[in-house]
Amino acid sequence: GAGVSQSPSNKVTEKGKDVELRCDPISGHTALYWYRQSLGQGLEFLIYFQGNSAPDKSGLPSDRFSAERTGGSVSTLTIQRTQQEDSAVYLCASSSWTSGNNEQFFGPGTRLTVL
Amino acid sequence: DAKTTQPPSMDCAEGRAANLPCNHSTISGNEYVYWYRQIHSQGPQYIIHGLKNNETNEMASLIITEDRKSSTLILPHATLRDTAVYYCIVREVGSSGYSTLTFGKGTMLLVSP
Repeated sequence: GAGVSQSPSNKVTEKGKDVELRCDPISGHTALYWYRQSLGQGLEFLIYFQGNSAPDKSGLPSDRFSAERTGGSVSTLTIQRTQQEDSAVYLCASSSWTSGNNEQFFGPGTRLTVL
Repeated sequence: DAKTTQPPSMDCAEGRAANLPCNHSTISGNEYVYWYRQIHSQGPQYIIHGLKNNETNEMASLIITEDRKSSTLILPHATLRDTAVYYCIVREVGSSGYSTLTFGKGTMLLVSP
C-alpha cells in the first residue's frame, strides 16, 4: 500500500529564497509530524499536527519556519529567507492510534541544500 | 534532550545475533521504550516497543530489565541489510495516544560478511 510520500526529493536553493516542502501522509492517519536531520545528527522534532487540534509548534527553530495541514491530509512546510544552516533532510511522518501503538511511518525525506 | 544512552557503534557478523543495549535510567512509569532504525538515505522505520514485558515480533526481540532502567534490542540472525543506525527512544504516550519522538544519536550497527 501507499506509504508517506514527500516532494521534492531534493531541493537546492539560494540563501534568502523561500522553499515549500510537501508531505502526503498515509490515508486515514490523523497525526502528522515534521522532523529534520542535519548531517551526522539525530532527528530533530519540528511540528506536529493531530486531527483538528492546534498544532504543536514547539520544535520550530525560528519564525522563518511554518507549516500548514489542509483538510487534515497534505501538509506543507515553508521555510522563508533560507539560511545555510537550514540545509538538512526534512522528514515527515504520520500515525494512527491503534491498539495502544503509535507507530510513526516516515517518508523518504526531502534533502534541502541552501547555497 | 534524549533520555537514553546508546553506544555509538557496534559490529556484528552476518548470521549472528546482534544485541544492542540502551540505558534509560530516568524512565518513568508511563513511558514506553521504542526502537526505530534508519538505513542510509531512508526515513526511520519502526521496529518494536514495550512497556515492561519482553516483546517479540517478526523483526526483533526487546528485553527490558525488571527495573526498566535498561533494555536490549536483539536481532536474532543479522543480515547485511540490517546495517543501520538504531535508535532507542523513551516516550510517554498520553491520553490522546500521540506524542513526538525524541531521537538521540543512536547506535550505528555494521553487519559484516
